[in-house]
Amino acid sequence: EPEVTQTPSHQVTQMGQEVILRCVPISNHLYFYWYRQILGQKVEFLVSFYNNEISEKSEIFDDQFSVERPDGSNFTLKIRSTKLEDSAMYFCASAGGSVQETQYFGPGTRLLVL
Amino acid sequence: AQRVTQPEKLLSVFKGAPVELKCNYSYSGSPELFWYVQYSRQRLQLLLRHISRESIKGFTADLNKGETSFHLKKPFAQEEDSAMYYCALSFNTGKLIFGQGTTLQVKP
Repeated sequence: EPEVTQTPSHQVTQMGQEVILRCVPISNHLYFYWYRQILGQKVEFLVSFYNNEISEKSEIFDDQFSVERPDGSNFTLKIRSTKLEDSAMYFCASAGGSVQETQYFGPGTRLLVL
Repeated sequence: AQRVTQPEKLLSVFKGAPVELKCNYSYSGSPELFWYVQYSRQRLQLLLRHISRESIKGFTADLNKGETSFHLKKPFAQEEDSAMYYCALSFNTGKLIFGQGTTLQVKP
């Protein structure tokens, strides 16, 4: 069964550094999402992406964050200058042909900012 | 404001006992609700969604618009049901809003 994959599984970085989190959605899916979960807190929506553009973003998704789909398969989340409070588990999700369809989640990338 | 509330952080039951995981929501529109489950060291996966009205692994959930609830129920818990359960509300944009999650612990 096809699955969403994410790399790396863990990333440790210094405050102020740029990080890129990578996701490979399920191949025929059209809708892509990033969520994050700070330790002990709820899963929070960051951004949704469709037709090569952002469809919605949360307040968390400020100018330090960006997403792109550089090659038609990968879906990346970039944090330009990481802060301590960016430490979290980041989940990618994809859904098929409409926003109503089930979102399938990746295993997550655990980001630790020191 | 749109919100999903799961009042219990931890629910501990014995094998064979009934289970009810509570979820309340706040949303002025027509809600679409889901239960996602995360087993130990595994990814979030969909357990069920209210529009499909399916029973998955013996779990059911009924949307009660009057009480704005979507509680998850199973008549007889199994040890393999031990996991983290998240209730989520979907918007017509696809965005999911999650509750805090409830850890279900099923004791032998």
